[in-house]
Amino acid sequence: GAVVSQHPSWVICKSGTSVKIECRSLDFQATTMFWYRQFPKQSLMLMATSNEGSKATYEQGVEKDKFLINHASLTLSTLTVTSAHPEDSSFYICNPVGGRGYTFGSGTRLTVV
Amino acid sequence: ELKVEQNPLFLSMQEGKNYTIYCNYSTTSDRLYWYRQDPGKSLESLFVLLSNGAVKQEGRLMASLDTKARLSTLHITAAVHDLSATYFCAVEGTSGSRLTFGEGTQLTVNP
Repeated sequence: GAVVSQHPSWVICKSGTSVKIECRSLDFQATTMFWYRQFPKQSLMLMATSNEGSKATYEQGVEKDKFLINHASLTLSTLTVTSAHPEDSSFYICNPVGGRGYTFGSGTRLTVV
Repeated sequence: ELKVEQNPLFLSMQEGKNYTIYCNYSTTSDRLYWYRQDPGKSLESLFVLLSNGAVKQEGRLMASLDTKARLSTLHITAAVHDLSATYFCAVEGTSGSRLTFGEGTQLTVNP
């Protein structure tokens, strides 16, 4: 099956700092990457969609200057949370798609203090 | 806009009992997915339903899809404690497009 690696699993950072989350598709090429955010006891909410080599498309209400997405290769995408605030604390999950259905990363628990 | 609704949102049941979780969606789609999520974890794929009338079973879980009714069900047979988790259905719009998730059903199986 499709194997996805997401790092880090958890991170604690201070307000105002930036955090980078990496998502790798290990045995397939992901032409599209979806990034989701999940708050406690809620469902997954799509933040943005990116295609390799193109700028990401952000969902309404998601600040593109705050959540920087880089999808420079077919096996790696990164999400950088810039100038993090406590309200950015959440569970972030990547979902690379490349013809093998929908496999999700293991998620990153971000806590901003 | 595609909307996906699950019910119930919370389900507390006794071991050994049967129950069904329902997933309704608002626009035509032939692909529906069921996932399990344990606390603090990501999504684990349970079933992929790709056509009308599809039925899949794994252990005590069975999923079905009726595309005409825009309805999928996840049936739990003789529940055990290990099935306690949150279950999500998700619908694919067009091929390769994002999944739209239901609200999730938090299942608790009590001894």
